[in-house]
Amino acid sequence: KNEVEQSPQNLTAQEGEFITINCSYSVGISALHWLQQHPGGGIVSLFMLSSGKKKHGRLIATINIQEKHSSLHITASHPRDSAVYICAAHFQGAQKLVFGQGTRLTINP
Amino acid sequence: NAGVTQTPKFQVLKTGQSMTLQCAQDMNHNSMYWYRQDPGMGLRLIYYSASEGTTDKGEVPNGYNVSRLNKREFSLRLESAAPSQTSVYFCASSPEWTGVNFGPGTRLTVL
Repeated sequence: KNEVEQSPQNLTAQEGEFITINCSYSVGISALHWLQQHPGGGIVSLFMLSSGKKKHGRLIATINIQEKHSSLHITASHPRDSAVYICAAHFQGAQKLVFGQGTRLTINP
Repeated sequence: NAGVTQTPKFQVLKTGQSMTLQCAQDMNHNSMYWYRQDPGMGLRLIYYSASEGTTDKGEVPNGYNVSRLNKREFSLRLESAAPSQTSVYFCASSPEWTGVNFGPGTRLTVL
């Protein structure tokens, strides 16, 4: 069964802290996506990756294909990073995305 | 490029009423999707379309119908709305396996 699990479900941290959100998936994937959704807002694609590591500003996404695991890191976190972060996988041979439950991140000033 | 557009942004219906949610993309993507998002449930796939003229059921298709009118447009219809269909609806598109673009969402309330 194609499944995606995220942890933690909720994360609260102080401004400036290093943040890690984890995503595990059940079987082989074609691609893994990290998405961001601000409260009441739309969904924005942050990264799509199938191997290695990608970086955009203070955001870093990594994936370990052998361990079926991906992480999203935020360096020097800021209150504006407060949002729900969603991991989603395109499983091999499947047309559709499978979503994790999301991680609600709150960064306090 | 406008990306993925959805109309309306907000809608209130009474039980039993019908309505169509419209979605369009101007990125020439083959695949389009309709999701609903409920508190604590994450995003759930209602229907998807891999290409013009084809549609397939997702996880929660009951109570919905879709039409892939052309490559640009993918509409979602509620024939007889029920309170359980109160949700935020997102349309998305993707060019095969590379990236996914979401619309701004439609907040639907069924009384």
